[in-house]
Amino acid sequence: GAVVSQHPSRVICKSGTSVKIECRSLDFQATTMFWYRQFPKQSLMLMATSNEGSKATYEQGVEKDKFLINHASLTLSTLTVTSAHPEDSSFYICSASDPLAGNNEQFFGPGTRLTVL
Amino acid sequence: SQQGEEDPQALSIQEGENATMNCSYKTSINNLQWYRQNSGRGLVHLILIRSNEREKHSGRLRVTLDTSKKSSSLLITASRAADTASYFCVPSTQGGSEKLVFGKGTKLTVNP
Repeated sequence: GAVVSQHPSRVICKSGTSVKIECRSLDFQATTMFWYRQFPKQSLMLMATSNEGSKATYEQGVEKDKFLINHASLTLSTLTVTSAHPEDSSFYICSASDPLAGNNEQFFGPGTRLTVL
Repeated sequence: SQQGEEDPQALSIQEGENATMNCSYKTSINNLQWYRQNSGRGLVHLILIRSNEREKHSGRLRVTLDTSKKSSSLLITASRAADTASYFCVPSTQGGSEKLVFGKGTKLTVNP
């Protein structure tokens, strides 16, 4: 199957700093990528849909000014957590589907664990 | 998009036994997917079953779909300790690059 990578896999930062997480589709082009957040012992919560060349679509309750998404190319989407606070500590996962596959099977990255001190 | 509801929420079995997880959803679908998540990891796609299919196999996995009952099941045969994970069913209404909504999943523990 297709491969999606995320970088970094783990990041620890101080409160008030910004953190950028990259999501790459390695062997296919993804016009759409998705960003999820997962708190301990909870399910994935969709944060936003990242569209190549246009603005992201955010889910209700997700602050677009805090979670900046940029999908500048067909293989890369970035999520920047601005002015991070301890409550932003979570597991962030991206996914992408291959538009040529003809279905909406999504390929997930390995996730990024963010810890804000 | 709609969310599937997995049942049971937790399942504990011995290695070698079969594990059955169920999923229910509310409205008509284009397809339904099953994913697995090992603790602290990303998700792995297991099987996609289309609305016109009734059963699908992949290795030790068997998925059934009953659109009249709006339900699906995932059977893992001859389970292994490595099957320990959370399993999610995700119904899809449209297909394409539709956003997926995840429920709470079934947490499967396979004891050696």
